[in-house]
Amino acid sequence: QQPVQSPQAVILREGEDAVINCSSSKALYSVHWYRQKHGEAPVFLMILLKGGEQKGHEKISASFNEKKQQSSLYLTASQLSYSGTYFCGTEGMGNDMRFGAGTRLTVKP
Amino acid sequence: GAVVSQHPSWVICKSGTSVKIECRSLDFQATTMFWYRQFPKQSLMLMATSNEGSKATYEQGVEKDKFLINHASLTLSTLTVTSAHPEDSSFYICSARAPLAGRIPDTQYFGPGTRLTVL
Repeated sequence: QQPVQSPQAVILREGEDAVINCSSSKALYSVHWYRQKHGEAPVFLMILLKGGEQKGHEKISASFNEKKQQSSLYLTASQLSYSGTYFCGTEGMGNDMRFGAGTRLTVKP
Repeated sequence: GAVVSQHPSWVICKSGTSVKIECRSLDFQATTMFWYRQFPKQSLMLMATSNEGSKATYEQGVEKDKFLINHASLTLSTLTVTSAHPEDSSFYICSARAPLAGRIPDTQYFGPGTRLTVL
């Protein structure tokens, strides 16, 4: 029941863009995106609650396709601080969240 | 965002001993808290859902007699790893749902995690 994330890892140069995908085999109520730095707890980035919703903060944005049970996270003009592992968390109608395996993003100068 | 704390940050113990980890919501009341375990370079695996005043709901494959969860108040949940063994060594992270009023609804805020090493 874990969502599937792709790619598993990506390496960027500063200023380049990246897309991380998250898909589920079951109907989704919401999608949550987190970033985790090594040795630290995940930090909440954003939540998408409605199909068709798109949301962004600075140069990180996300979309949620409810019908396809997919979400994508877009990182534009990446910065060194964007490095980390990105997790999507998905919720069905229950009260728990399942996390994808994570996408390791490395931004190099 | 909402603040969740964990204590201790790390613990090293001998095999066979019990370890208690505390999870507190500092600026809000959390009726539901979650406990996760994360092995190196892997995702967060939900262990159990902790509801204030009732028994925790454990995920399949998680031994409830080994991982004791108590949610005695709206701001505190504890996880006790009983008779810990080296294979229990992991990063344990709790999270709590923030209430609707004045906050982003329906998301979880994570504690900083507790790294357990069992020798």
